[in-house]
Amino acid sequence: NAGVTQTPKFRILKIGQSMTLQCTQDMNHNYMYWYRQDPGMGLKLIYYSVGAGITDKGEVPNGYNVSRSTTEDFPLRLELAAPSQTSVYFCASSFRLEKGTAGNTIYFGEGSWLTVV
Amino acid sequence: GQNIDQPTEMTATEGAIVQINCTYQTSGFNGLFWYQQHAGEAPTFLSYNVLDGLEEKGRFSSFLSRSKGYSYLLLKELQMKDSASYLCAVRVGAGNNRKLIWGLGTSLAVNP
Repeated sequence: NAGVTQTPKFRILKIGQSMTLQCTQDMNHNYMYWYRQDPGMGLKLIYYSVGAGITDKGEVPNGYNVSRSTTEDFPLRLELAAPSQTSVYFCASSFRLEKGTAGNTIYFGEGSWLTVV
Repeated sequence: GQNIDQPTEMTATEGAIVQINCTYQTSGFNGLFWYQQHAGEAPTFLSYNVLDGLEEKGRFSSFLSRSKGYSYLLLKELQMKDSASYLCAVRVGAGNNRKLIWGLGTSLAVNP
């Protein structure tokens, strides 16, 4: 089972460059998320989507953009990379977070390590 | 505001029992999750509590008290492979605004 697949796993960017982190899931989940995780800072939600064509900002959206043209794909775009965007990025997905159900756990991709120099 | 507190680090001995606590102050509580994250890897689901009490799953158990805003993860018969970060997360909100609030994680080191 593929689950959540994100690429690339590692990338070094120069300040001002642009790039897209790709994310795809094959579990037919309607919810998808992008998190970043910095040492000692925990998981921070960048953007999320509740279904194809719908996206919304999370806690730390500045400097990022997303799109959700299909149920499976949720790419994250960095337009002008800055050193503050050096982090580990996790894509994740789930079914709708229904109240009282455990089946809507979030499944994570393996992570993308991004360094901006 | 929304806040989750966990100890930053814990140390335990192989074969022992360890309890990792999580306290939360959130609105619209809809369940609490525990995730395990090994260094350099993605978080993976361990347990879920929405009602008060203990949920047991093999060597791992999780407890919830909603009135106290408190949960713990209990790990028994510790193994070296249990060395990892343990993340507490609380589900809040309603409808399409439901989301997870994450704690910073507790780094557990299991020593021989």
